[in-house]
Amino acid sequence: GAGVSQSPSNKVTEKGKDVELRCDPISGHTALYWYRQSLGQGLEFLIYFQGNSAPDKSGLPSDRFSAERTGGSVSTLTIQRTQQEDSAVYLCASSLALSSGGVTYEQYFGPGTRLTVT
Amino acid sequence: RKEVEQDPGPFNVPEGATVAFNCTYSNSASQSFFWYRQDCRKEPKLLMSVYSSGNEDGRFTAQLNRASQYISLLIRDSKLSDSATYLCVVTLTSGGSYIPTFGRGTSLIVHP
Repeated sequence: GAGVSQSPSNKVTEKGKDVELRCDPISGHTALYWYRQSLGQGLEFLIYFQGNSAPDKSGLPSDRFSAERTGGSVSTLTIQRTQQEDSAVYLCASSLALSSGGVTYEQYFGPGTRLTVT
Repeated sequence: RKEVEQDPGPFNVPEGATVAFNCTYSNSASQSFFWYRQDCRKEPKLLMSVYSSGNEDGRFTAQLNRASQYISLLIRDSKLSDSATYLCVVTLTSGGSYIPTFGRGTSLIVHP
């Protein structure tokens, strides 16, 4: 079946502009995560959504970052007034659910959006 | 101390070799553990979950040592195609929150 898709695959933007990154999770997956990965670095958790529950936004680095998930499916990550340090690959992942019995489910990643802020 | 630590490597091994990586975690309350592989400029792909009793999938064996707070990945009979970065993921379940923490990865290079 179809995996996680993300768009655009690449985005070049000027410092100070807003950008929107889109994630389409695997059908039926109720949990959705956003991460970013800077060159040579590990994955940094940003936010997750689980069903209709309030998202866990604890990883968002500043109030310039926000995300929403409409209808429990597609998610959009918005970065306002982009800065050069925002340049990274933004990865989205989905899983069947958040957890069962305290143990989390495996995550499946999309191909990422490579954001370059000039 | 970082929450999840991995030796970045690279581990440079010949085809057919056996290689093992460890990943240490700082929070003893961590409950979920996974290994992912990531090829250059690609997204991470699930390799295997790590269960308390240890688990095996073909040439790959994963183990969890709660007492010493580390997980391990053993690869037997290495193939050229095993060359990648191996990421460990530890999830701490706390107060209804399930935030996965990724290690920075261990680079494996398998050469002919």
